[in-house]
Amino acid sequence: NAGVMQNPRHLVRRRGQEARLRCSPMKGHSHVYWYRQLPEEGLKFMVYLQKENIIDESGMPKERFSAEFPKEGPSILRIQQVVRGDSAAYFCASSPPEETYKETQYFGPGTRLLVL
Amino acid sequence: GDSVTQMEGPVTLSEEAFLTINCTYTATGYPSLFWYVQYPGEGLQLLLKATKADDKGSNKGFEATYRKETTSFHLEKGSVQVSDSAVYFCALSDSGAGSYQLTFGKGTKLSVIP
Repeated sequence: NAGVMQNPRHLVRRRGQEARLRCSPMKGHSHVYWYRQLPEEGLKFMVYLQKENIIDESGMPKERFSAEFPKEGPSILRIQQVVRGDSAAYFCASSPPEETYKETQYFGPGTRLLVL
Repeated sequence: GDSVTQMEGPVTLSEEAFLTINCTYTATGYPSLFWYVQYPGEGLQLLLKATKADDKGSNKGFEATYRKETTSFHLEKGSVQVSDSAVYFCALSDSGAGSYQLTFGKGTKLSVIP
């Protein structure tokens, strides 16, 4: 049973370019979360999605950031016109739909974004 | 809002020493509590969890007890190994806040020396 998959593992972009981060949840999981980890910091919640729905985006910056989780395919976190301050590790987590287990999240290995 | 405070690191211990990493929280509802571990260059792995007061989570020799009266969830291990060297994160999930997002502490880096 494969875990949460993220790609790419490392991404280098120049200022002004777009970054696309992908996350495939564990099999059977229908909830996806994105978190950002700045150097020497804990993880900060960004967005919570279910298939075709954004449930909670209270942690997303208001501009340049967007997320989706389509009916088919991985969840995508998109950062437009990246700036140096976007350099961080971005982690995806997934959880199962059953009410009893919904709060337990399983994390992917992360995508480390470096903006030059 | 919800928050988690854990002891500042780094913590350096000799092999077989006793480990305690303190964690306290504030939450609007009745949260579930978690400890995650992060090895260098990797994602977070769930270490243990507790969902209600006085529950004890345990895994791989690590333990933590949900103390509602002191709003704490301290991590302990009786005898650490070099392989336990990692960053440990305390976290809470408060579904009363409307989603299951995790709120994390800043992490405590543990180094165990032979």
